[in-house]
Amino acid sequence: QKEVEQDPGPLSVPEGAIVSLNCTYSNSAFQYFMWYRQYSRKGPELLMYTYSSGNKEDGRFTAQVDKSSKYISLFIRDSQPSDSATYLCAMTGSNTDKLIFGTGTRLQVFP
Amino acid sequence: EAQVTQNPRYLITVTGKKLTVTCSQNMNHEYMSWYRQDPGLGLRQIYYSMNVEVTDKGDVPEGYKVSRKEKRNFPLILESPSPNQTSLYFCASSFGPNTEAFFGQGTRLTVV
Repeated sequence: QKEVEQDPGPLSVPEGAIVSLNCTYSNSAFQYFMWYRQYSRKGPELLMYTYSSGNKEDGRFTAQVDKSSKYISLFIRDSQPSDSATYLCAMTGSNTDKLIFGTGTRLQVFP
Repeated sequence: EAQVTQNPRYLITVTGKKLTVTCSQNMNHEYMSWYRQDPGLGLRQIYYSMNVEVTDKGDVPEGYKVSRKEKRNFPLILESPSPNQTSLYFCASSFGPNTEAFFGQGTRLTVV
């Protein structure tokens, strides 16, 4: 079993839709949770960062962490064609020096 | 401008011919990593370094070497490349594994 599981998609939605992206994980020591966005032929860039459980909102993006279920989510409201990219979850904790990535979900938002 | 610079961006080489991919960062970061990205497998960590002269294996270290003689540089060395090392490689740097990682533009390596 992988430490971090993420549905690879692809996910295709119309402009304006609400998008939900998810990851599950197995290591209960993970405390730091991130979402990276990767455009085609580019390196990943940090989109959202959450420590421990709870929600964090930044504009159209909301990150949620449910540590009891070992489940994290990224919601995108009013999705735009410019949101078309691969979204990678990443996480780490106090018992590791590694940042573990999910496989990434490819999202396409069509006009 | 804060950045991570990898070179080359594209490389085609033959089996067994040693090669080095360079990585340099200008943000004074302690933590640097190399990842490979393959379809369906995501980003997998090859090696990482917590600081100068401190390196450790990631999840897929076989066939790779690294060195960290200076804080800003973290080259990836393939002593005898094989076709299964054909991949997209990323270097990243940060203040630690639990802080924002900055990625280079990637190096697309093909081994024939």
